Amino acid sequence: DGGITQSPKYLFRKEGQNVTLSCEQNLNHDAMYWYRQDPGQGLRLIYYSQIVNDFQKGDIAEGYSVSREKKESFPLTVTSAQKNPTAFYLCASTKGSGANVLTFGAGSRLTVL
Amino acid sequence: GQNIDQPTEMTATEGAIVQINCTYQTSGFNGLFWYQQHAGEAPTFLSYNVLDGLEEKGRFSSFLSRSKGYSYLLLKELQMKDSASYLCAVRAAGYGQNFVFGPGTRLSVLP
Repeated sequence: DGGITQSPKYLFRKEGQNVTLSCEQNLNHDAMYWYRQDPGQGLRLIYYSQIVNDFQKGDIAEGYSVSREKKESFPLTVTSAQKNPTAFYLCASTKGSGANVLTFGAGSRLTVL
Repeated sequence: GQNIDQPTEMTATEGAIVQINCTYQTSGFNGLFWYQQHAGEAPTFLSYNVLDGLEEKGRFSSFLSRSKGYSYLLLKELQMKDSASYLCAVRAAGYGQNFVFGPGTRLSVLP
C-alpha cells in the first residue's frame, strides 16, 4: 500500500545534540512538507519542497535543516540551534499544484531531556 | 497575511448534529480542506471544497463560500469516536501553494 513512513516514532534527545527525522513516501508525490505541532495547537510549516534538489523555508525554519536528494525522501534535521524542539513532527506530501489532498505520515514525537 | 480562525472547543451530545465554522484570509485560494485528528495521531482527510456549495460524504458535509471566506464542517449522527480535533486548512496560491492550517477545534462528544 502507498503511504508515508516516518521514523522514529519516538525520539529522545539531550540538549545540544542534532537529530534527524526520516520521511519516505511511495506515492509518487512531487511536493513534501514538514510541520510542527505543539500541544493543543495547529500545524506550523517548517520547510517544504516542490521538486528534487529544491526546498524553501516555511514559517518556523530557524534551527531546522532539510534535504531533497530523492523524490521519495525528505529528511528533517533538528539542530542544537532550535531552542524549544520538543514537539510532534509531521511529514506530508501531495501530488502537485491545485486542489490535491495533503497526505500525512504517522508523525515523530521528539522529546528533549 | 494569512489567517484562519476556528472555535477552540465545542461540545455536543451523541446522536446530535454539530457545525464547526472556519473563516480564512489567505494569499489566493486553491481549495479548503478538513482533517480529523485524534489525540497523539496524524491528521486524516475528511473533505474538501474548491467551488462554492455543499459537499456531502456520508455523515460529514462541508460547505464553502469563497466570497465570504467561510466554510463549515457538519457532522451528523454524532458518535463517541467523533471526539477529536478538526483542522481547517486552505491551500494558498503562489510558489509552493502551501497549506495553511487553522488552530483546530477540539470536539467532545458526550453520552
